[in-house]
Amino acid sequence: GQNIDQPTEMTATEGAIVQINCTYQTSGFNGLFWYQQHAGEAPTFLSYNVLDGLEEKGRFSSFLSRSKGYSYLLLKELQMKDSASYLCAALDSNYQLIWGAGTKLIIKP
Amino acid sequence: GAVVSQHPSWVICKSGTSVKIECRSLDFQATTMFWYRQFPKQSLMLMATSNEGSKATYEQGVEKDKFLINHASLTLSTLTVTSAHPEDSSFYICSARDQLAGDTDTQYFGPGTRLTVL
Repeated sequence: GQNIDQPTEMTATEGAIVQINCTYQTSGFNGLFWYQQHAGEAPTFLSYNVLDGLEEKGRFSSFLSRSKGYSYLLLKELQMKDSASYLCAALDSNYQLIWGAGTKLIIKP
Repeated sequence: GAVVSQHPSWVICKSGTSVKIECRSLDFQATTMFWYRQFPKQSLMLMATSNEGSKATYEQGVEKDKFLINHASLTLSTLTVTSAHPEDSSFYICSARDQLAGDTDTQYFGPGTRLTVL
């Protein structure tokens, strides 16, 4: 079956760095997305990786290893507004998004 | 960046009535739009894929006669919840693909519509 695993909850301190991991098993693979979702709002797109390696976008970076079925989202210089759920989603061979349940990130002052 | 809007943002209706939710791509054309449903503390659940000018493709377990989808133009898809019941209360989210963008896999999400059926 198809499956996405990511931690349910993580806690970090303002100004610090946090890494959110995601492992996936899908029927075919056409890329992996990370989304940020604040409570009561729709998820917003953060990154898309289809090739192995690290992609950096400001304070956020995303890494992909296709051979390992693994990705992580790295958040630097954490701010209180980064408190949100972070969704990992893989695109399968039918271009359907397989979603993880999300990682709730709690930022403490 | 690409913007997707939904209308209304919130809707409260009586049981048995029908509710229409609109999803618009504001600054790009979308041949494909997606409708999701989200329950509290759960990830998005894909309900159907809406293709411009053709019938929608529904996910297993989603009643096509209850959730009517129309994608009449490249910028508008509508989801109509017919004969809504309290169990239909949920957060409905649409997304759209920018057909002209180089990265055609990226979906842009709408802000969502919160439906409460009394």
